[in-house]
Amino acid sequence: DAMVIQNPRYQVTQFGKPVTLSCSQTLNHNVMYWYQQKSSQAPKLLFHYYDKDFNNEADTPDNFQSRRPNTSFCFLDIRSPGLGDAAMYLCATGGSSYNEQFFGPGTRLTVL
Amino acid sequence: AQSVAQPEDQVNVAEGNPLTVKCTYSVSGNPYLFWYVQYPNRGLQFLLKYITGDNLVKGSYGFEAEFNKSQTSFHLKKPSALVSDSALYFCAVRDMENYGQNFVFGPGTRLSVLP
Repeated sequence: DAMVIQNPRYQVTQFGKPVTLSCSQTLNHNVMYWYQQKSSQAPKLLFHYYDKDFNNEADTPDNFQSRRPNTSFCFLDIRSPGLGDAAMYLCATGGSSYNEQFFGPGTRLTVL
Repeated sequence: AQSVAQPEDQVNVAEGNPLTVKCTYSVSGNPYLFWYVQYPNRGLQFLLKYITGDNLVKGSYGFEAEFNKSQTSFHLKKPSALVSDSALYFCAVRDMENYGQNFVFGPGTRLSVLP
């Protein structure tokens, strides 16, 4: 089945130690999104790619970076995780204007 | 700017009773509206959407939603609630001012269905 896959599902890192979260999709969608979600709040958009065009949200900290080497894969890099970065990170894809987003299962990040 | 409100943080309903989760929106132009459900430690799952056409939209798992343009509402409904419907529900609108690429989510409503 076509889907959005996130690895790992759970990630533990140490304060200040760089971490990379992975997302892949088999839907061949143009757009890939990264969201941060804390304790049952609404997902907060960090950035998205439309094809190779990167779109950063104005309030996304510089500590968060992203790479999209091809259509199928997108990575979220957190350069120096702080305790406040502990959250669920959700990857999503989007196709045409009338379609919904498709979400992966998320990666729960713990920062020690 | 687009915005979505979900006026209830929590909705409690007895199993077998009808449920309603409320959503109101503010958009410029035509609204593209969505409902998602989230179970613990999972991603968001799409339930249904309104793009155009019939104001009553049917979706997954027996859910439906009623689009009301005059009240700018898009309430989620189900005729008979199940305990397994207990989850976090998000209403969202597609932000067509930004080339339609971004979605604006409401704050979420936690639904508890009591046996």
